[in-house]
Amino acid sequence: GAVVSQHPSWVICKSGTSVKIECRSLDFQATTMFWYRQFPKQSLMLMATSNEGSKATYEQGVEKDKFLINHASLTLSTLTVTSAHPEDSSFYICSARGGGPGTEAFFGQGTRLTVV
Amino acid sequence: AQSVTQPDIHITVSEGASLELRCNYSYGATPYLFWYVQSPGQGLQLLLKYFSGDTLVQGIKGFEAEFKRSQSSFNLRKPSVHWSDAAEYFCAVGARTASKLTFGTGTRLQVTL
Repeated sequence: GAVVSQHPSWVICKSGTSVKIECRSLDFQATTMFWYRQFPKQSLMLMATSNEGSKATYEQGVEKDKFLINHASLTLSTLTVTSAHPEDSSFYICSARGGGPGTEAFFGQGTRLTVV
Repeated sequence: AQSVTQPDIHITVSEGASLELRCNYSYGATPYLFWYVQSPGQGLQLLLKYFSGDTLVQGIKGFEAEFKRSQSSFNLRKPSVHWSDAAEYFCAVGARTASKLTFGTGTRLQVTL
């Protein structure tokens, strides 16, 4: 299957700082990427959908100004958690879909963010 | 609105025993159903998916799932569990492309030797 890579795998940051998480499609061009958040012992919740070259579409309740998503190229999307607080600590996972609506999305390995 | 229910939060089985993980869904259109496995600190790996056709779907690692429209269920099964199967299992429903998925809360599988 196609490979989606996230970086970093884990990160610890101080409260008030910003953290950038990268999601790359390694062997295909990802026209659409999805960002999910997973709280400990809970399920994944979709945060936003990003299409290459356009603004991301955020799910209800997700703060656009806090979770900045950029999808500037067909192989890279970034999620920046701005002014991070301890409650932002979570596991963030991206998935990427190449081609048109008929193609499958593949998941990255996730990034564990801890804000101290 | 679409939703997925996994009634069992935690299941423990002995190695070699059979396994069934339950999943019930609610979806307004034709449901596309998925089972994923997640090892600790890792991303998701697709085990199998159902789009249409034969209601018994075979997946990787010896897993299978049966779609029952009348019961709105998509239960995951394995005849003989291996210790390496210990992980978190998520059922999901969504579009055919596995995008914008709605996940269940997951079932944690523990395997005893």
